[in-house]
Amino acid sequence: AQSVAQPEDQVNVAEGNPLTVKCTYSVSGNPYLFWYVQYPNRGLQFLLKYITGDNLVKGSYGFEAEFNKSQTSFHLKKPSALVSDSALYFCAVRGPYSSASKIIFGSGTRLSIRP
Amino acid sequence: GAVVSQHPSRVICKSGTSVKIECRSLDFQATTMFWYRQFPKQSLMLMATSNEGSKATYEQGVEKDKFLINHASLTLSTLTVTSAHPEDSSFYICSARNAGGDSGNTIYFGEGSWLTVV
Repeated sequence: AQSVAQPEDQVNVAEGNPLTVKCTYSVSGNPYLFWYVQYPNRGLQFLLKYITGDNLVKGSYGFEAEFNKSQTSFHLKKPSALVSDSALYFCAVRGPYSSASKIIFGSGTRLSIRP
Repeated sequence: GAVVSQHPSRVICKSGTSVKIECRSLDFQATTMFWYRQFPKQSLMLMATSNEGSKATYEQGVEKDKFLINHASLTLSTLTVTSAHPEDSSFYICSARNAGGDSGNTIYFGEGSWLTVV
């Protein structure tokens, strides 16, 4: 069975500093990995995804994530945090079995950027 | 990016009544749509997978007779909460897979619908 873990409930970073939001996964075969962001009372916005190719994936709003197969991780990063990055971040994984494969979400990490 | 529209964004209904939430993919065809439920400060719980033209696949523990899902076209799926109770109050989010897009089949989400049962 596939699963995804976000070990940190909350991450606090000062504006301008680099940020990392951790994610590890478990899936049979090659994974499809995603990061989404959720602002209060809103749906989820797609940030980036890894399917194949370069392990470093660049996405929206200056975010990037690095796929590490040996560590089964897909940590979200940004070189310089903004206060507006404060939100709830979800990592998700899907197995490549078929077009109907479910996408499973982590528990979410609340990112708080202080001015 | 692809747009998924969810309606209504907020709805209040009385206990015992039914309420319908619509999920539309506005600029792409979605053979598969997903319905999630999210409790405050928690992650998304997948309720069911909705396939166009066929019966939805429900996750374990989700009552199919209570949460009726219809995916009648490639751009519309509906979730009907029947005989609603206060414990059904929650944030419901739909998502749609852009099957015509890249091989990653990115899933796009609606803005969510707040249901309050009084």
